[in-house]
Amino acid sequence: AQSVTQLGSHVSVSEGALVLLRCNYSSSVPPYLFWYVQYPNQGLQLLLKYTSAATLVKGINGFEAEFKKSETSFHLTKPSAHMSDAAEYFCAVTAPSSGGYNKLIFGAGTRLAVHP
Amino acid sequence: EAGVAQSPRYKIIEKRQSVAFWCNPISGHATLYWYQQILGQGPKLLIQFQNNGVVDDSQLPKDRFSAERLKGVDSTLKIQPAKLEDSAVYLCASSGGVRSTDTQYFGPGTRLTVL
Repeated sequence: AQSVTQLGSHVSVSEGALVLLRCNYSSSVPPYLFWYVQYPNQGLQLLLKYTSAATLVKGINGFEAEFKKSETSFHLTKPSAHMSDAAEYFCAVTAPSSGGYNKLIFGAGTRLAVHP
Repeated sequence: EAGVAQSPRYKIIEKRQSVAFWCNPISGHATLYWYQQILGQGPKLLIQFQNNGVVDDSQLPKDRFSAERLKGVDSTLKIQPAKLEDSAVYLCASSGGVRSTDTQYFGPGTRLTVL
């Protein structure tokens, strides 16, 4: 069965520092992977997604993630954190649902704090 | 392009009462999802519609939760009777297709508090 593990429920970085949010997945089929961001009192917004076209995926707001099959990982990075990056980040993997459709399985999330 | 709309944004009820949430997906999106997000956890899929048909409701507590999507557009999710453990944010999402790579677009959610 598909699952996602996000290491670290809380991550704190200084403004301008590297952001690294960890995601490991388990999948019985070739996975498609997503990172979503959730700002307070808002819905989830797609940051980027891996669809097997390229292992290094670039997303919005300067974020990128690298798919590593050997490590079953899809870590999210950003070279320089900005105060506006403070939010909760969710990694997700696709899983088959009934009738040949697909659904997303989300990790528990990582709350990113950015301090001056 | 208008996003996914949800109402109400907040709801407080007593246990054993009933409550309903409404969702209007992005125009033209055939696939609609309802998720439950408990504090400190990631969203969990409750039910998935393709047009007005249910394709996955394996995680929906059917003894108290129900959902419908009339005419393949708007959807309502109902809880009757509510329990304390139903306190959560209920997110609606929609996507334009059924491929596993299709992006799901989320609404702002309804925060339910059951007292």
